[in-house]
Amino acid sequence: GAGVSQTPSNKVTEKGKYVELRCDPISGHTALYWYRQSLGQGPEFLIYFQGTGAADDSGLPNDRFFAVRPEGSVSTLKIQRTERGDSAVYLCASSLTPGFTDTQYFGPGTRLTVL
Amino acid sequence: GIQVEQSPPDLILQEGANSTLRCNFSDSVNNLQWFHQNPWGQLINLFYIPSGTKQNGRLSATTVATERYSLLYISSSQTTDSGVYFCAVIIQTGANNLFFGTGTRLTVIP
Repeated sequence: GAGVSQTPSNKVTEKGKYVELRCDPISGHTALYWYRQSLGQGPEFLIYFQGTGAADDSGLPNDRFFAVRPEGSVSTLKIQRTERGDSAVYLCASSLTPGFTDTQYFGPGTRLTVL
Repeated sequence: GIQVEQSPPDLILQEGANSTLRCNFSDSVNNLQWFHQNPWGQLINLFYIPSGTKQNGRLSATTVATERYSLLYISSSQTTDSGVYFCAVIIQTGANNLFFGTGTRLTVIP
């Protein structure tokens, strides 16, 4: 596609439920990044993939959060037992080459609301 | 942990005016980037600038790594420049991922 796409654009769930957020990066981009942005704050790094493997998952807040990228393209961020504090916009980005020195192209985000 | 502070937190400009946004960081960095988030939430990478000066149209950025600050200059501002500007850094020691600053919210009025 022309850019990074994320689905769904909005997700409302109840506390304790499981959610999956999807990211389709730009075709051919090796690196994929997930960030979380709470209202009024800057994005917070969660995890970054180089190909199929997680190069750095140090930003995942706890073991309820997990992300995969099984074929090196689409990625899914999975959140178990959601909590109200997980409410935020989840942003995905991709770059042609790995690392943080190449231009990252961001998707529109998924707004997650946990009731 | 690292502190990345941006100033001013809010800025209102008349269209056509120039502005300077500042990013101060508390540790030595080997990566610094500037981003613009428009009012609809779309985030765009403006500059990768761990040191030196770069220019792209009406925007330019300068990072003085030894003094731990970076500046983003916007000249002849336009209403489309409105939004939040973030700087983000990777520190030389510690986690090798981007840490975002507090942001500057810019409003350009016609």
